[in-house]
Amino acid sequence: DTGVSQDPRHKITKRGQNVTFRCDPISEHNRLYWYRQTLGQGPEFLTYFQNEAQLEKSRLLSDRFSAERPKGSFSTLEIQRTEQGDSAMYLCASSPGDRPPFGYGYTFGSGTRLTVV
Amino acid sequence: KQEVTQIPAALSVPEGENLVLNCSFTDSAIYNLQWFRQDPGKGLTSLLLIQSSQREQTSGRLNASLDKSSGRSTLYIAASQPGDSATYLCAVPISSGSARQLTFGSGTQLTVLP
Repeated sequence: DTGVSQDPRHKITKRGQNVTFRCDPISEHNRLYWYRQTLGQGPEFLTYFQNEAQLEKSRLLSDRFSAERPKGSFSTLEIQRTEQGDSAMYLCASSPGDRPPFGYGYTFGSGTRLTVV
Repeated sequence: KQEVTQIPAALSVPEGENLVLNCSFTDSAIYNLQWFRQDPGKGLTSLLLIQSSQREQTSGRLNASLDKSSGRSTLYIAASQPGDSATYLCAVPISSGSARQLTFGSGTQLTVLP
């Protein structure tokens, strides 16, 4: 396993269309995170999974956003009725969940760059 | 609410120079602090992870220090090279009780001139 994989790398879509991104975490990591990054800013937390359970969601995650991790392995992030303000880099990260839970770093993927035109 | 600040926002240095990047955070009850590198249009690459019990961590030409009591961390880069040009981000878990969300600074954009 070479790291966290994200697909696609780039996505250009028309406003109002739905888009879906995929993230494959490091296989032995049971924690998976989605972040969003706009130009010139640090990433902002969107949501977190432990195994298949979505345990935390940011208020940034509006009703148009939905994330799943059906079998506790890969995850998908869907944006419905995209808006120009959704244009950003969407980053996925994973980390181990073994005890102690707080001592491990996060491994990020290369991100999906979304452009809404 | 945890807030992370990185100063300077941008830095340009000649090749070979040693440099220090700064990161400050408002809530000192952190479990760890992580430094990342980000190349333009790319994802984040982890550089160093400092546990709360540690004061510094080293990897090659990089050395990161952590002073929890003052809410500060520094990333020292020795003998900088043009290939070090990137944006450097520090991140800490949000307030005590949750290590699941990271709060990032806005980064320092480093340019090393040949």
